[in-house]
Amino acid sequence: EVQLVESGGGLVKPGGSLRLSCAASGFTFSSYSMNWVRQAPGKGLEWVSSISSSSSYIYYADSVKGRFTISRDNAKNSLYLQMNSLRAEDTAVYYCARVGIAVAYYGMDVWGQGTTVTVSS
Amino acid sequence: QSALTQPASVSGSPGQSITISCTGTSSDVGSYNLVSWYQQHPGKAPKLMIYEGSKRPSGVSNRFSGSKSGNTASLTISGLQAEDEADYYCCSYAGSLYVFGTGTKVTVL
Repeated sequence: EVQLVESGGGLVKPGGSLRLSCAASGFTFSSYSMNWVRQAPGKGLEWVSSISSSSSYIYYADSVKGRFTISRDNAKNSLYLQMNSLRAEDTAVYYCARVGIAVAYYGMDVWGQGTTVTVSS
Repeated sequence: QSALTQPASVSGSPGQSITISCTGTSSDVGSYNLVSWYQQHPGKAPKLMIYEGSKRPSGVSNRFSGSKSGNTASLTISGLQAEDEADYYCCSYAGSLYVFGTGTKVTVL
């Protein structure tokens, strides 16, 4: 079964750090680009960051640039998001999502269940 | 990059058809034929419904269709059913980033 499972969310104080993980299974992880997408409580979806299959290309939304770092370990079938200098406005459910290639081209065709990050003092 | 513009809500009766618009700019929707649409039920992860503007992933009902004209993409749901009640988001690839729409709540009357 194709699956993505996020972990690492929690409560953190403003200015703090957190590292999210996304474990992939059921597909050849190293062949796919991956995204992080977040959703603040009661709000819409917001793209956060993308990483290509070999980590050659990495992009960030302006709202997180300089504070968040995306990375992956293809040997461990895992995607990561290191979040530093966290702010209240980073409070959200964070999803990892697979970017389709031959099928579902540039669509996010597999999503995890999400992990909740709360930034509050 | 600003969010794509969607109507906040759209409603319809069972069996009817509804259309959700998604308006961007010449830098995103207008430049790339890479608009995708997602359905999200409360408390659940988004689900891909349409990619490349008009293509359906395997398993998605053919009642869902997508199109694009200029800077505006559209999602049409025909034969509206109770289970279609959800939030819908468009998303455009824009070179090195993705832009989501503001989201539309679909209500089945």
